[in-house]
Amino acid sequence: GAVVSQHPSWVICKSGTSVKIECRSLDFQATTMFWYRQFPKQSLMLMATSNEGSKATYEQGVEKDKFLINHASLTLSTLTVTSAHPEDSSFYICSARDSRGIWVFAEAFFGQGTRLTVV
Amino acid sequence: GNSVTQMEGPVTLSEEAFLTINCTYTATGYPSLFWYVQYPGEGLQLLLKATKADDKGSNKGFEATYRKETTSFHLEKGSVQVSDSAVYFCALRADSGYSTLTFGKGTMLLVSP
Repeated sequence: GAVVSQHPSWVICKSGTSVKIECRSLDFQATTMFWYRQFPKQSLMLMATSNEGSKATYEQGVEKDKFLINHASLTLSTLTVTSAHPEDSSFYICSARDSRGIWVFAEAFFGQGTRLTVV
Repeated sequence: GNSVTQMEGPVTLSEEAFLTINCTYTATGYPSLFWYVQYPGEGLQLLLKATKADDKGSNKGFEATYRKETTSFHLEKGSVQVSDSAVYFCALRADSGYSTLTFGKGTMLLVSP
């Protein structure tokens, strides 16, 4: 099946620094990618929808200036956590849908996730 | 709004035991329902899906039936293996084209030899 590669798998950073997480679709083009966040023992919560060549659409309550999303090509979306703080520590997962075919039936493929720890 | 509720884990079973992971949902309209599995160190993978009432999704010995009357999509397997140890997520997608997935919290399954 299709592969979505997310990098890094885990990262530890100091409070106040910025961290960039990459999400790549390796064998298909993804017009749209999604970024999710998972708190311990909680559901995966959609943070934003990333569209190639345009601004991301953020869910209510997600700070646009803190979580910068760039979708510069059909195979790459990045999430940058700016001025990270300990409360940003979480598990971040991206997903992508193959742009071909019928959208409503398109399967979502997920990256392996990134464990961010801010100290 | 849409929501998914699934049983809390971990679910601990011996090999060859019968598995049920309950999942109920709240949604408007006629959502599609999914089970995703996340093996240790890997991303989520689609396990099975059902797009309309009474559909049964099946894969790798797992089954789930879309029950609109009880708004449920319980995951079952007749005989689990150690290799089935993973986290299982129930999810729905409102069928409006560009909508995203709403997930349950996930249920960890631990199968011992």
